[in-house]
Amino acid sequence: GAVVSQHPSWVICKSGTSVKIECRSLDFQATTMFWYRQFPKQSLMLMATSNEGSKATYEQGVEKDKFLINHASLTLSTLTVTSAHPEDSSFYICSARDLGEADTQYFGPGTRLTVL
Amino acid sequence: GQNIDQPTEMTATEGAIVQINCTYQTSGFNGLFWYQQHAGEAPTFLSYNVLDGLEEKGRFSSFLSRSKGYSYLLLKELQMKDSASYLCAVLDSNYQLIWGAGTKLIIKP
Repeated sequence: GAVVSQHPSWVICKSGTSVKIECRSLDFQATTMFWYRQFPKQSLMLMATSNEGSKATYEQGVEKDKFLINHASLTLSTLTVTSAHPEDSSFYICSARDLGEADTQYFGPGTRLTVL
Repeated sequence: GQNIDQPTEMTATEGAIVQINCTYQTSGFNGLFWYQQHAGEAPTFLSYNVLDGLEEKGRFSSFLSRSKGYSYLLLKELQMKDSASYLCAVLDSNYQLIWGAGTKLIIKP
């Protein structure tokens, strides 16, 4: 299957700082990438849909000024958590949509963010 | 509204067979996915069904009935490493994935 990488895999930061998470599709072009958040023992929560070359579409309740998404190329999307607070600590997962493979979404390995 | 239902937790014995059901009510349907997720890790793709019937892939099989809004994931010859959460997700008319809450599968020796 297709490979999606995510960097960093984990990060610890101080409250008030910003953290950037990268999501790359390694062997296919992804016009659409998705950003999810997952709390312990809960299902995935879609935060936003990232489309290459256009603004991201945010789900209801997700602050677009706090979670900045940039999809600058067909293989890279970034999520920046601005002015992070402890309640932003979570597992952030990206996925890339492979139109060539039955419209399957392939997931990155996730980034565990801990805000102190 | 859109809704995906699957059992919260199931327990099975190593070497046995288990069936995890998923029922859905969504605005449109463009396919159903099953993902496996081990604790602390991202989901991994297991199967995709868009037509009615059974798709077999090794020890795992997935079944779909679009008229009933129903799917199941069948796991045979269970191994301890199959202990994980299994997520059912439906691609709706906007090609957005609607996720179930996941079924935690516990395998006992």
